[in-house]
Amino acid sequence: DTAVSQTPKYLVTQMGNDKSIKCEQNLGHDTMYWYKQDSKKFLKIMFSYNNKELIINETVPNRFSPKSPDKAHLNLHINSLELGDSAVYFCASREQRGGVDEQFFGPGTRLTVL
Amino acid sequence: GNSVTQMEGPVTLSEEAFLTINCTYTATGYPSLFWYVQYPGEGLQLLLKATKADDKGSNKGFEATYRKETTSFHLEKGSVQVSDSAVYFCALSERSGGYQKVTFGTGTKLQVIP
Repeated sequence: DTAVSQTPKYLVTQMGNDKSIKCEQNLGHDTMYWYKQDSKKFLKIMFSYNNKELIINETVPNRFSPKSPDKAHLNLHINSLELGDSAVYFCASREQRGGVDEQFFGPGTRLTVL
Repeated sequence: GNSVTQMEGPVTLSEEAFLTINCTYTATGYPSLFWYVQYPGEGLQLLLKATKADDKGSNKGFEATYRKETTSFHLEKGSVQVSDSAVYFCALSERSGGYQKVTFGTGTKLQVIP
């Protein structure tokens, strides 16, 4: 059973297009995240949702819009894609119960904008 | 704000060598500290953690001790293997604005050669 899954795994598209990445977790966690990892492996948080409510919104262009239809899903829609959006995008969910505090990451979506 | 500083990589070691990856942090309160590992082509996964000063986290032969006086959480392993080749991320988690926020370091790539 996959804990945190993302689709697609690879996404190649042209500049100016609109695309979505989907994320689902079956762990029953309340909090989910989107991270962007650049070619140097630097990991930057983009958004965080807690029970479908946006709680963290870092300085991300408004072309990026997260959507959480329920607490098990957090999708990322990107409008008007630019070359600089090429990166690996990771979804994660977070468990915080009984003193445990751990993030569980998906396998990543490698986005290439041509 | 909070920050995590890791030594720059890549770190290249021969098999069975001793490993240290330095990590220092800045936080306003009493964060929990983590090391995550990212194997090639995968998402991050938790390696070890420590929740309070002087705690030692350990897993798979890796260890790190939460040092409040030096604000450090250095990762060590006595004898590395080729299979340890990966990118290692130091991270802290602290309550901010009513929610837990995780801050990651920039990652240190470890390459172990036979």
